[in-house]
Amino acid sequence: EVQLVDSGGGLVKPGGSLRLSCVASGFTFSTYSFSWVRQAPGKGLEWVSSISGSSTYRYYADSVKGRFTISRDNAKNSVYLQMDSLRAEDTAVYYCAGPWEHGRWGQGTLVTVSS
Amino acid sequence: EIVLTQSPGTLSLSPGERATLSCRASQSVSSSYLAWYQQKPGLAPRLLIYGASSRATGIPDRFSGSGSGTDFTLSISRLEPEDFAVYYCQQYGSSPPGTFGQGTKVEIK
Repeated sequence: EVQLVDSGGGLVKPGGSLRLSCVASGFTFSTYSFSWVRQAPGKGLEWVSSISGSSTYRYYADSVKGRFTISRDNAKNSVYLQMDSLRAEDTAVYYCAGPWEHGRWGQGTLVTVSS
Repeated sequence: EIVLTQSPGTLSLSPGERATLSCRASQSVSSSYLAWYQQKPGLAPRLLIYGASSRATGIPDRFSGSGSGTDFTLSISRLEPEDFAVYYCQQYGSSPPGTFGQGTKVEIK
């Protein structure tokens, strides 16, 4: 079965860190770019970060640049999002997605930043 | 950075009616890289259209996409009860690759 499974969310204090993981199965992982998208409570979709198949290209939204790092391990069919210096406004459901034309999304993992 | 603006913010229609949703870009978007998604509460977005006009696998033919350059449209020919949801457009061809519009809610009138 083709699927993406997100994990790693939770409750963290402002200034803290979390690492999200996304494991893919059922298709050739290393060929494709993957992204993280978030959705704050009651808000729209916000693109966060993308990484190319070979990790050569990495892109970040201005709102997370310098605080979040995207990476991947093609041997483990996995994509990661290291989130540091977390702020209250980073509270959201985070989705792994990719490639865009295939419409594959994870189920989402909730990150709550609160003291 | 390309900014996508969707209109209207909310569309109130009855089942069986036609829905027309607009997505306007601040600069030209390659048609190959314009997508439309449907999202229902508590669920991940569902890809409807990619490449501006190609339906994703399993999407009914009442959904259609059109447009080019800076103006794109999603049409739903006859609304079914399950079509009432929030719809987002997305461009994924220009850096940064993946920006979304703010969404259009299609609600039951």
